[in-house]
Amino acid sequence: DAGITQSPRHKVTETGTPVTLRCHQTENHRYMYWYRQDPGHGLRLIHYSYGVKDTDKGEVSDGYSVSRSKTEDFLLTLESATSSQTSVYFCAISESTGPYNEQFFGPGTRLTVL
Amino acid sequence: GNSVTQMEGPVTLSEEAFLTINCTYTATGYPSLFWYVQYPGEGLQLLLKATKADDKGSNKGFEATYRKETTSFHLEKGSVQVSDSAVYFCALSEGTGNQFYFGTGTSLTVIP
Repeated sequence: DAGITQSPRHKVTETGTPVTLRCHQTENHRYMYWYRQDPGHGLRLIHYSYGVKDTDKGEVSDGYSVSRSKTEDFLLTLESATSSQTSVYFCAISESTGPYNEQFFGPGTRLTVL
Repeated sequence: GNSVTQMEGPVTLSEEAFLTINCTYTATGYPSLFWYVQYPGEGLQLLLKATKADDKGSNKGFEATYRKETTSFHLEKGSVQVSDSAVYFCALSEGTGNQFYFGTGTSLTVIP
């Protein structure tokens, strides 16, 4: 299994509070991704990173920010959580880009915003 | 643009039944195609992949053939087991950015 951990695994928070989710990898892969998984939508890309301090937006980036100060860590921040951000969040990594490279996924973080 | 369409679930089968989960895609170029599986409470795991037309991916008894003429990548298994109960996602990757596009997932339950 790829060495990917996510923390916390579960979190309940209130509307308007800031939340930070952490993804940590031990594979030294260059590329990291944050997805959210919702019923009827599959997985949707929030942000991704192609190197330290290099990030870009995905399909559903509004209300989210990311940071990557080290190769192994990719943080996802909800500046002011809303109920629509209740979801399961997955981090993924890949060694390279191009269509031949699969992504490896972490175990997920279940976030509930009340 | 790029998109993936999967058959609606949930799917319930008896043990040893034949499984087909349909997946079709839309892509502007020449994508790679993937099937991922998600067991309860876990992240997604790569099940199989195919990188060009007519390629067949296979793993753990599952197979899928990349059909460019029908833009399809249907997942099949000849005899399912209870342990195959999971959610299955079809996905495509295209271009240099390694951005994946996922289907909505198909839940499979296999009963003894």
